[in-house]
Amino acid sequence: AQTVTQSQPEMSVQEAETVTLSCTYDTSENNYYLFWYKQPPSRQMILVIRQEAYKQQNATENRFSVNFQKAAKSFSLKISDSQLGDTAMYFCAFMNKGGAQKLVFGQGTRLTINP
Amino acid sequence: GAGVSQTPSNKVTEKGKYVELRCDPISGHTALYWYRQSLGQGPEFLIYFQGTGAADDSGLPNDRFFAVRPEGSVSTLKIQRTERGDSAVYLCASSLSPGQETQYFGPGTRLLVL
Repeated sequence: AQTVTQSQPEMSVQEAETVTLSCTYDTSENNYYLFWYKQPPSRQMILVIRQEAYKQQNATENRFSVNFQKAAKSFSLKISDSQLGDTAMYFCAFMNKGGAQKLVFGQGTRLTINP
Repeated sequence: GAGVSQTPSNKVTEKGKYVELRCDPISGHTALYWYRQSLGQGPEFLIYFQGTGAADDSGLPNDRFFAVRPEGSVSTLKIQRTERGDSAVYLCASSLSPGQETQYFGPGTRLLVL
C-alpha cells in the first residue's frame, strides 16, 4: 500500500518570502501522479500543482513549483513570493496511474503567511 | 462552469440516527469519489464510482456505510445507526473519466454526531 508523509505539521513565514513544504511517499509502483492540494478554512480542496512520475521535468504553476526526486521518493512544494492568501492547509497526495483511482493523502501542513 | 456541490453543508444528528449526504459532480464527469476527513487529518478514501457502479468500495469502514449513484450523476452517501466516531467532513470529488488524473473537490459536508 502507498503511504504519504508530511513531516512538517505547521510552518509560518513572512509575506513575500519563499517557503518549501516537504513530502515523501512510499510505493512500489512506477507509473503514478503526485499532487499538492490547498485547503483554506472554506474546506474546499483546491489543486495547486500536479506531477506525472514519468516526467523528469519539475512542474511549475506561476509562483508554485515542485522538486520531484523520484529515486528518493520526495516531492516538495516551493511557494515563491508568498502572499497572505496562501495561508491554508496543504496536502500532498499520491495516485497510482493504473488500477484504483483513489488519492492517498498525507497528514497536511498548516501554512501561515504573516503580514 | 459549476463545480462539485455538496448538501447539506453541515449536518448535526444524534447517535443512532440515519443520515444521507448528497454530491452533485461536475456535469459530464463520469468518475465520482467519496473521502472522509477527520479533524487534523488528511482525507481518506471511501468509495469510487465509474458511472452507476461502485468500482472500488474498499475504503468503506463497515456495513453501516453505503453509497449509490443510480443515474451516473448525483451520488448519495448513506450512514445508518450513526456513531460519534462518524463525525468528520465528508468530501466528494469528480473527474472527467478514469485515468483523467485530476479530481475536483466539493466543499464537503461537516457531520457532527452527538
